[in-house]
Amino acid sequence: GDSVTQMEGPVTLSEEAFLTINCTYTATGYPSLFWYVQYPGEGLQLLLKATKADDKGSNKGFEATYRKETTSFHLEKGSVQVSDSAVYFCALPGGANAGKSTFGDGTTLTVKP
Amino acid sequence: NAGVTQTPKFRVLKTGQSMTLLCAQDMNHEYMYWYRQDPGMGLRLIHYSVGEGTTAKGEVPDGYNVSRLKKQNFLLGLESAAPSQTSVYFCASSFPRGASVGADTQYFGPGTRLTVL
Repeated sequence: GDSVTQMEGPVTLSEEAFLTINCTYTATGYPSLFWYVQYPGEGLQLLLKATKADDKGSNKGFEATYRKETTSFHLEKGSVQVSDSAVYFCALPGGANAGKSTFGDGTTLTVKP
Repeated sequence: NAGVTQTPKFRVLKTGQSMTLLCAQDMNHEYMYWYRQDPGMGLRLIHYSVGEGTTAKGEVPDGYNVSRLKKQNFLLGLESAAPSQTSVYFCASSFPRGASVGADTQYFGPGTRLTVL
């Protein structure tokens, strides 16, 4: 079945450091791919998405490129801020089968000033 | 536009008690979901619904029941709570695949923190 494998955390960085969180997937066909972010005490919210191969999703300085050849969707940010401290989830939608919606285990990012 | 709301925000139950968690969305989404989030276990799908009057089991449905009597509401019931059901519960909703706008993007509520003693 469909699955998502996400880089294990936690990740601790200093402010202005470069961030990469790895995500690889196994899926039938070419689904959309998502990154969600969860700030402390809140629900998940969409950070960015890509709907087809070679698409680049971007938001709030974060970027991720849908790589069909490596089945990856790595999240990157060139210069992190303390306010980026959160848990990040890579996700596959269920598509026609809503019950197949799949989330990675989440990567906790802490950014220190 | 409130998005997805969940009631209550916190609850403490004793083993064997029952309760219902309420989820409401005002975005006219067809699909709704209930997840639980536990440390080290990620997000796991309990039940979901693809439309009013329909529900289906997800990855971890045992011990839970759901109902979708109205399109905007999705209820999660615990008939006889157990300590293993201590968790944070999230409701989410989305448009289905094929929707012209926002297909597959899930919108989450703020969560309900449930403790079963």
